[in-house]
Amino acid sequence: GQGVEQPAKLMSVEGTFARVNCTYSTSGFNGLSWYQQREGQAPVFLSYVVLDGLKDSGHFSTFLSRSNGYSYLLLTELQIKDSASYLCAVRDTGTNAYKVIFGKGTHLHVLP
Amino acid sequence: EAAVTQSPRNKVAVTGGKVTLSCNQTNNHNNMYWYRQDTGHGLRLIHYSYGAGSTEKGDIPDGYKASRPSQENFSLILELATPSQTSVYFCASGDPGLGGDTQYFGPGTRLLVL
Repeated sequence: GQGVEQPAKLMSVEGTFARVNCTYSTSGFNGLSWYQQREGQAPVFLSYVVLDGLKDSGHFSTFLSRSNGYSYLLLTELQIKDSASYLCAVRDTGTNAYKVIFGKGTHLHVLP
Repeated sequence: EAAVTQSPRNKVAVTGGKVTLSCNQTNNHNNMYWYRQDTGHGLRLIHYSYGAGSTEKGDIPDGYKASRPSQENFSLILELATPSQTSVYFCASGDPGLGGDTQYFGPGTRLLVL
């Protein structure tokens, strides 16, 4: 069916890295965004990708494979404050180009 | 800096009562959205608008109405509130047409319907 899927939880260690995966199935595709959401706060935009490949933005990098319906958000040199939920969102060009489909989010817990 | 504000930030309502959630944006974005977020469901789109005077149904519009009287303001109205509408509501604004797809979210409104 149509949708955006993410693992519910992820744990990693301070100073290392974490990869947050996202798979999607939509009738069309017009870009994928990543958001960070801390506990009790609103989502905050991190990155937008529409072309295949790796987009390096320093602490956050994103990868996209449109043919596989797959993206990941890579966080390097993890800090405790990176503990948050990370939401993947896909813009569908199907019946409604204004509609963005959000995944349920992956809660990343960074251990000291 | 993009700015989306919501009021009230917290609301307690009684079953059957009317609730209005307000959203204001100073980004001059055409598109505005109302979402609710519940544990286990993520963000779900209730209503959206692509300009003043327009409102469109999202994925879960039942029990909700929306109003977009101006570019800056977008309201969500619960005519007869029910306990199942207890949730956190987020408003967002954005313009997807310029090669990017950033949505700017307001701080959220926590609604409890008793």
